[in-house]
Amino acid sequence: GNSVTQMEGPVTLSEEAFLTINCTYTATGYPSLFWYVQYPGEGLQLLLKATKADDKGSNKGFEATYRKETTSFHLEKGSVQVSDSAVYFCALNFGNEKLTFGTGTRLTIIP
Amino acid sequence: DTAVSQTPKYLVTQMGNDKSIKCEQNLGHDTMYWYKQDSKKFLKIMFSYNNKELIINETVPNRFSPKSPDKAHLNLHINSLELGDSAVYFCASSQQTILYYEQYFGPGTRLTVT
Repeated sequence: GNSVTQMEGPVTLSEEAFLTINCTYTATGYPSLFWYVQYPGEGLQLLLKATKADDKGSNKGFEATYRKETTSFHLEKGSVQVSDSAVYFCALNFGNEKLTFGTGTRLTIIP
Repeated sequence: DTAVSQTPKYLVTQMGNDKSIKCEQNLGHDTMYWYKQDSKKFLKIMFSYNNKELIINETVPNRFSPKSPDKAHLNLHINSLELGDSAVYFCASSQQTILYYEQYFGPGTRLTVT
């Protein structure tokens, strides 16, 4: 079946540090890929997406590139802020109703 | 403008009770979902409805029963609550595009069973 594997958290960084959260997927075919973010006490929000190989999704300074060769969709940000502290979920979808999520990575940014 | 709303936000109850969580979306989406998030933030899909028809029913105890009176509402009723039901329950809705379904989540309902 389809699955998403994310790097284990928690991840703790200082403000202005570079962020990478790894995400790889296992699937038959070429899904659309997503990063969702969950701020404390809130529901998940779509952060960015990519629908085909080599597409780069970007939003709020975050980026992720759909790499078919390595079946990866790593999340990056050049300079994190305290307000980026949240749980980040990688997910895939094949154009049906089911979204397959990774286990989530908790990110804490220290001032 | 609230897109996906849930009530209540917090629910504290005792074992053995029956409770309901309500969800409404004003996005005009055809598909709605219930997810359960445990204390480690792991998300598990429970149910999905498309236009009032059940289309995803994961392995969930039959004490959990979803009800969709119309495509803008999806309620979750839980009978005989158990300690292990304590979690955050999220409602979501989605819109189909050519390539994917994009999901929009509600703020969650934190259920505590004592």
